[in-house]
Amino acid sequence: AQTVTQSQPEMSVQEAETVTLSCTYDTSENNYYLFWYKQPPSRQMILVIRQEAYKQQNATENRFSVNFQKAAKSFSLKISDSQLGDTAMYFCAFKPSYFGNEKLTFGTGTRLTIIP
Amino acid sequence: EAQVTQNPRYLITVTGKKLTVTCSQNMNHEYMSWYRQDPGLGLRQIYYSMNVEVTDKGDVPEGYKVSRKEKRNFPLILESPSPNQTSLYFCASSSQAHSLGTGELFFGEGSRLTVL
Repeated sequence: AQTVTQSQPEMSVQEAETVTLSCTYDTSENNYYLFWYKQPPSRQMILVIRQEAYKQQNATENRFSVNFQKAAKSFSLKISDSQLGDTAMYFCAFKPSYFGNEKLTFGTGTRLTIIP
Repeated sequence: EAQVTQNPRYLITVTGKKLTVTCSQNMNHEYMSWYRQDPGLGLRQIYYSMNVEVTDKGDVPEGYKVSRKEKRNFPLILESPSPNQTSLYFCASSSQAHSLGTGELFFGEGSRLTVL
């Protein structure tokens, strides 16, 4: 079974600063996908970024980027130039890559507050 | 507009009174699932369905039932709700592309259930 650990229950940073959210996972799988989801106060789950384990290059989406360290089983999310709209709960999630397995295993979340 | 629709969004009920949370998607997705979100525990999968008439247990299926008679609908049934089922519930759907690393897992807006 896979486990996902987010060791930072809460974080806060000033607007425009850079913040990094940590995520580690444990799996015996060699091929898998990793995700960061954002949950603003509206409760909607929004996909922020996705990383394929077989790709060495770190994924980026505008101000969001990841630092994927496969050997260390680490998958951190960096938010640059943080904005008030980034205030949300952030969940790291893991999914095996084989067809037919759609289950995401989520971490416990990090509540991020951007301070004006 | 592509969406996953859950109803009701909010519900307060009493122990033992059967209830159903409906979920419907308009994207012709094969895969649907239910998660519950609890503070400090993240999201945990309750049940999932790979297609019509194909359902299976997730990590926390006790006290819940599901059915998949039509591709678009995946209701969650609580036959005899108890206070420990007070939670935020999410329905999600995806196409087979999600298994292959593309596509996206679409979430509903969540249903806040309180069992007294």
